[in-house]
Amino acid sequence: QQPVQSPQAVILREGEDAVINCSSSKALYSVHWYRQKHGEAPVFLMILLKGGEQMRHEKISASFNEKKQQSSLYLTASQLSYSGTYFCGTASNTGNQFYFGTGTSLTVIP
Amino acid sequence: GAGVSQSPSNKVTEKGKDVELRCDPISGHTALYWYRQSLGQGLEFLIYFQGNSAPDKSGLPSDRFSAERTGGSVSTLTIQRTQQEDSAVYLCASSPGLAGGNKYFGPGTRLTVT
Repeated sequence: QQPVQSPQAVILREGEDAVINCSSSKALYSVHWYRQKHGEAPVFLMILLKGGEQMRHEKISASFNEKKQQSSLYLTASQLSYSGTYFCGTASNTGNQFYFGTGTSLTVIP
Repeated sequence: GAGVSQSPSNKVTEKGKDVELRCDPISGHTALYWYRQSLGQGLEFLIYFQGNSAPDKSGLPSDRFSAERTGGSVSTLTIQRTQQEDSAVYLCASSPGLAGGNKYFGPGTRLTVT
């Protein structure tokens, strides 16, 4: 039930944009996005609950498609501080297990 | 406290020994989660507690792993007869109210089995 993320890794120059995708073969109950910097714990960015929903956290936004099988994270005008590994998270359809996606490593260089 | 705390921060143990990892969630958070993260890998879900309800243990990797949550607050993850493949960072998170809500992670316990 683990969602699949793409790409696995991306390198950007400061100011460039990036998109990270999170896909599931089944409808997702909800989608959370987290960022984890090296050696640190994951930090919550945002949650999407409804199909078609869009959310924003500073210059990072996310969407959740109508079928609730895919979510995308959009990083606009990337900053050096955006570097880290991004994970999407979701719940099982039983509501008692909570999985994270495969992760996307994002590196922003000057 | 202000955030989720975990203890110990680091634990080195010999293969075959038992270990206990502790998690103190944010006060008032009803949901508590345990994850395991091996070096350079993703987050592996282990178990979830909601209040005082009995958890679903199916995510635990083997019967050597057990977890409990006393009084709906502090949780302990116990690993019996540790193996080298148990070496990882064990992360605890808590969230308020609705299950699956935004999770606040603790700093983790780095477990090394020699």
